[in-house]
Amino acid sequence: KQEVTQIPAALSVPEGENLVLNCSFTDSAIYNLQWFRQDPGKGLTSLLLIQSSQREQTSGRLNASLDKSSGRSTLYIAASQPGDSATYLCAVLSSASKIIFGSGTRLSIRP
Amino acid sequence: DVKVTQSSRYLVKRTGEKVFLECVQDMDHENMFWYRQDPGLGLRLIYFSYDVKMKEKGDIPEGYSVSREKKERFSLILESASTNQTSMYLCASSPRGGRRTDTQYFGPGTRLTVL
Repeated sequence: KQEVTQIPAALSVPEGENLVLNCSFTDSAIYNLQWFRQDPGKGLTSLLLIQSSQREQTSGRLNASLDKSSGRSTLYIAASQPGDSATYLCAVLSSASKIIFGSGTRLSIRP
Repeated sequence: DVKVTQSSRYLVKRTGEKVFLECVQDMDHENMFWYRQDPGLGLRLIYFSYDVKMKEKGDIPEGYSVSREKKERFSLILESASTNQTSMYLCASSPRGGRRTDTQYFGPGTRLTVL
């Protein structure tokens, strides 16, 4: 059974720092992996999607990597800003065609 | 822009009531999904649909049913609400048919409280 884990559950860093969020999954047979952002009390916004054949995707200050063999993905945020404060979730689409979400990392950027 | 709307942001119901949560998307997406989100448990899939009148159970379908009579609308029904169904409910849609799915677009969520 696919399990997705995000550690730490919460992270606080000062503004301007580069940071990495981690996501691990137990079954490497995935179709894709996606990173979402969720602001308090709101829905999810897709940030980046990496197909299983890809190693990374970039969008602005965000870079997501995927290492299927080790069951890991990272989301790199460069030059963090207070507006980046949110919960970040990763989700995998497994070979069973189900999307499994991690519990998220709550990120706080201190001005 | 893709828009996914949900009928209510906040809803308070009593135990035993029948509850309807409505979701509408305006981009002609084939796939639609209902999740619930609880602290420490993340998002869990309740039901999903690949097309009109088609539905499949997700990981936690017990106590729920769904209806998809039109492509743009996907309804989640709680036949007899219980307190353990108090949660944030999120609807999503995605543009591809079939079993594989691409980026999902989420609605703003409905926070349901069952007293």
